[in-house]
Amino acid sequence: GDSVTQMEGPVTLSEEAFLTINCTYTATGYPSLFWYVQYPGEGLQLLLKATKADDKGSNKGFEATYRKETTSFHLEKGSVQVSDSAVYFCALEGGSYIPTFGRGTSLIVHP
Amino acid sequence: DVKVTQSSRYLVKRTGEKVFLECVQDMDHENMFWYRQDPGLGLRLIYFSYDVKMKEKGDIPEGYSVSREKKERFSLILESASTNQTSMYLCASSLVQGMTDTQYFGPGTRLTVL
Repeated sequence: GDSVTQMEGPVTLSEEAFLTINCTYTATGYPSLFWYVQYPGEGLQLLLKATKADDKGSNKGFEATYRKETTSFHLEKGSVQVSDSAVYFCALEGGSYIPTFGRGTSLIVHP
Repeated sequence: DVKVTQSSRYLVKRTGEKVFLECVQDMDHENMFWYRQDPGLGLRLIYFSYDVKMKEKGDIPEGYSVSREKKERFSLILESASTNQTSMYLCASSLVQGMTDTQYFGPGTRLTVL
């Protein structure tokens, strides 16, 4: 079945550092890929998505490129802020139209 | 903006009690989902529904049931709560059956079973 693997956290960075959170997936066909973010005490909200190979999703300075050849959708940001501290979830939605989520990666950004 | 609301942010129940968690969405979405979120395990799908009175089991349905009598409302029921059901419960909705689509989440209900 479908699966999503994310790097384990927590990821701890200083403000203005470069961020990468790795995400790889296993799925049949051509799934859509998502990054969701969960701020403390809140539910998840969509950060960005990509629906086909080589698409780049972007939002709030975050980017991720759908790489079919490496089955990856790594999340990047050039300069993180303290307000980016949250848990980030990679997810896919394939032929079953039922989403599959990774386990989440906690990001902690220090001033 | 889509809004998904959950009846309680925090809930404390005793072992053996019947527990109802309510979720309401206000954008006429067809799909609704219940997840539980536990540290180190991420989100796990309990049940989902594509339409009124329709339900499908997710990955971990044991010990839970659901009800969807109206399109906007999806209830999760713990028939006899147990301590291993202490968790964060998240409700979500998405627009149309059979299409890849963004999920919209409620704020979650943190349930403690004593």
